[in-house]
Parts: sequence; structure tokens; C-alpha cells
Amino acid sequence: DAGVIQSPRHEVTEMGQEVTLRCKPISGHDYLFWYRQTMMRGLELLIYFNNNVPIDDSGMPEDRFSAKMPNASFSTLKIQPSEPRDSAVYFCASSLATGAVETQYFGPGTRLLVL
Amino acid sequence: AQTVTQSQPEMSVQEAETVTLSCTYDTSESNYYLFWYKQPPSRQMILVIRQEAYKQQNATENRFSVNFQKAAKSFSLKISDSQLGDTAMYFCAFMKYNNNDMRFGAGTRLTVKP
Repeated sequence: DAGVIQSPRHEVTEMGQEVTLRCKPISGHDYLFWYRQTMMRGLELLIYFNNNVPIDDSGMPEDRFSAKMPNASFSTLKIQPSEPRDSAVYFCASSLATGAVETQYFGPGTRLLVL
Repeated sequence: AQTVTQSQPEMSVQEAETVTLSCTYDTSESNYYLFWYKQPPSRQMILVIRQEAYKQQNATENRFSVNFQKAAKSFSLKISDSQLGDTAMYFCAFMKYNNNDMRFGAGTRLTVKP
């Protein structure tokens, strides 16, 4: 398997622009997670899906952030409008199921810089 | 709320030597899982080792082993025969049983010196 795929790997945009990050989970995985990593706050869970349904979005920082999972093989994280403080590395991860030691497998991350 | 503490922001070790990274956590749960992830300069998050809290036996994966002390809420990672490729950030993580909200520590930056 190719692992979790994220695109783009790097994104530079100007404040106020819309940013869309994309993720393809490992085939067959039931869960998909979006994390954000910053120097100040470390790794934070933003939202996760189970079978394409959002389960917990309590980590989403504000209404400017939204995430969708239209099917089992694709998810997006959108920021509109973007702000400089959104600059971070955004990771997508997937796993098979919960209730056991089901490891989350991470994608390579998208480094976002908002100018 | 669960918190994970890594008290060593940076560590270094000579190649072929052994190093131990510390992690403590705070929880009132009895069933949970603990993980160590490695993040090399490529930024990829790679699972190193995992431990189920109900298991008394410490997990081992080749050169990596843990010292899990449930009563003390401690979960240290030992890297034996350190290699240059072990240079990375190491994150300790906690996850409650049947819950996907994984909490990470702040990380320890490990440098393996030749």
C-alpha cells in the first residue's frame, strides 16, 4: 500500500485566501484524522471521521476551518479565509478501528505558510 | 483530561550507545494505550512502539523497548545501539481505550552523534 497520501506537500498563500488540503487514507481504513503541528501547541487533533462521518470536531479552532469526507478514499480540510496564525504542518492519519491497539498511520504532512 | 509530559526537550547520544527518553502521563483511566512516534527531518510521523496498559510485559521492537510503570504513570523509551538514522523528534502519545483522541507530548529532540 502507498500509505496515507497528502497534497500539496507545501502551500504558500496570502492572508485571506482559501486553502484546501487533501488526504487519501490507506485503503480499508475506517478512521481518518486531521492534526495540526505548531511549535507553540505541538500536535493537536482537529477532527476525525469514522466511515466518512465526522465524529469529533472539538479540536477545530474556529469556523474558518471545515473538513469533509465525501467518500472512503478522500478527505479535505479547508481554511477560509486563511490567517498567518494558521501556518503549521497539517497531518492526516488513518486507522482501521478503535477498541484495540489500532495504530494511526500518518501521511507526510502539508506545510502551510500564510503570509 | 489526559496530559502527556516529556521533560527532556533535547538529548544526544553517541552512535552505538544506549539512550532513554522519558515520558509521564496523567489519567484516571485504567484502560489505555501508549505510543512512541518518531519524526525525522522529513517530518513523517512513524510509529516506533506501542503498549497496552493492561499488559504488564514491556513492549519491544528490535532495538527499541519501553519501561512501562503503570502505577507511576511512566512510559520511557530505550534505544539500544543508537544509529545515526535514529536522529529525530520523538513523541510520546496517550490514547484512551475505545477513543481516538490521541494526546501527544511536546517531544524530545534526539541527536545521535557519530
